[in-house]
Amino acid sequence: SQQGEEDPQALSIQEGENATMNCSYKTSINNLQWYRQNSGRGLVHLILIRSNEREKHSGRLRVTLDTSKKSSSLLITASRAADTASYFCATDDGNNRLAFGKGNQVVVIP
Amino acid sequence: SAVISQKPSRDICQRGTSLTIQCQVDSQVTMMFWYRQQPGQSLTLIATANQGSEATYESGFVIDKFPISRPNLTFSTLTVSNMSPEDSSIYLCSVGSTVFKETQYFGPGTRLLVL
Repeated sequence: SQQGEEDPQALSIQEGENATMNCSYKTSINNLQWYRQNSGRGLVHLILIRSNEREKHSGRLRVTLDTSKKSSSLLITASRAADTASYFCATDDGNNRLAFGKGNQVVVIP
Repeated sequence: SAVISQKPSRDICQRGTSLTIQCQVDSQVTMMFWYRQQPGQSLTLIATANQGSEATYESGFVIDKFPISRPNLTFSTLTVSNMSPEDSSIYLCSVGSTVFKETQYFGPGTRLLVL
């Protein structure tokens, strides 16, 4: 399976600021997904972008995908304290088997 | 979205013993998966739990170490056999969405510590 990889960032931002995370992968994909994990608990699906899409929005989330560079970014606008979590990208090669990246820890300071 | 529960939520086990983790879903699902998340690490897919047939294991994972059962479309178990401290991890089950097939819903995880 593929391996999504985030830049190993630990972001600490003030509430109201934007948070950006990046993810790169190595082989072809069917789609790329972003998940959030709070304090080592289960993951919550945030957004999915297909390989033929370049940008997608969902609420305060904006995800981009550049298949030529094999990279994706997740932007959280107007961050809130409740956004404090680890964020993972995961690639799907079309067989529903997800390959997760290392994750980004985001701390939003009230 | 599916509601997924796991039992136990956490456990502390002795080296050499085995632990069976249960995953229960509130609706019938086709796809069920088991992941491992080692301390401070990302998730790694262990296997796909297939209903009525043997699980499909990823590279580096074998049935003798991680036997999986899937007796019906709402339930699966993962056993961690002959445990060592290196097996200390969070084990998560997930299911594929019946509506958005690529999306997965995750259980709360089972936090395992092996002494």
